[in-house]
Amino acid sequence: EAGVAQSPRYKIIEKRQSVAFWCNPISGHATLYWYQQILGQGPKLLIQFQNNGVVDDSQLPKDRFSAERLKGVDSTLKIQPAKLEDSAVYLCASSLASGGVETQYFGPGTRLLVL
Amino acid sequence: AQKVTQAQTEISVVEKEDVTLDCVYETRDTTYYLFWYKQPPSGELVFLIRRNSFDEQNEISGRYSWNFQKSTSSFNFTITASQVVDSAVYFCALSETGNMLTFGGGTRLMVKP
Repeated sequence: EAGVAQSPRYKIIEKRQSVAFWCNPISGHATLYWYQQILGQGPKLLIQFQNNGVVDDSQLPKDRFSAERLKGVDSTLKIQPAKLEDSAVYLCASSLASGGVETQYFGPGTRLLVL
Repeated sequence: AQKVTQAQTEISVVEKEDVTLDCVYETRDTTYYLFWYKQPPSGELVFLIRRNSFDEQNEISGRYSWNFQKSTSSFNFTITASQVVDSAVYFCALSETGNMLTFGGGTRLMVKP
């Protein structure tokens, strides 16, 4: 079974530029998550989708971050404009459903460096 | 509010030594789940174990074992006879409801040959 796919793996941009990350979850997984992991810290949830609806985006900096999951499968996370403090690894995870607590499976992440 | 503390930021051992990674959590819920993930240098978080709050039985999987103690709010992870391939950052995480995972700060384990 294929795991969670993410692209690109690495991205370097200058501050104030825009960037987008893509995630394809494990087939059949209804719930998708985006996490931000700053160097030396544990991942922090940015947004959680159940199918194509948002379940929790309370920690998403909505003035610059946006995310969508239009058809309930793939998802994109965008930052516009980027700041230096956005340098981090962006991890996508998926799980079967949100009715109970399901194990989340993570992709390889996108490492973003903002100069 | 939920919180996970991994007091050991870095541990270094020599191959074949046993090592225990500590995890202490805080939650007001009676129903919750605890997880351990491994993050090798490649960056991907690899799921190791999940335990719910009603199951305090210790678990063993090969060289890995977990000790869950509700009385001390701890969920410690022991690697027996460590190997170089065990070198990674290990994260403990907690989920109350709704699947939101709260991670600890991680423990970097270095196993030297």
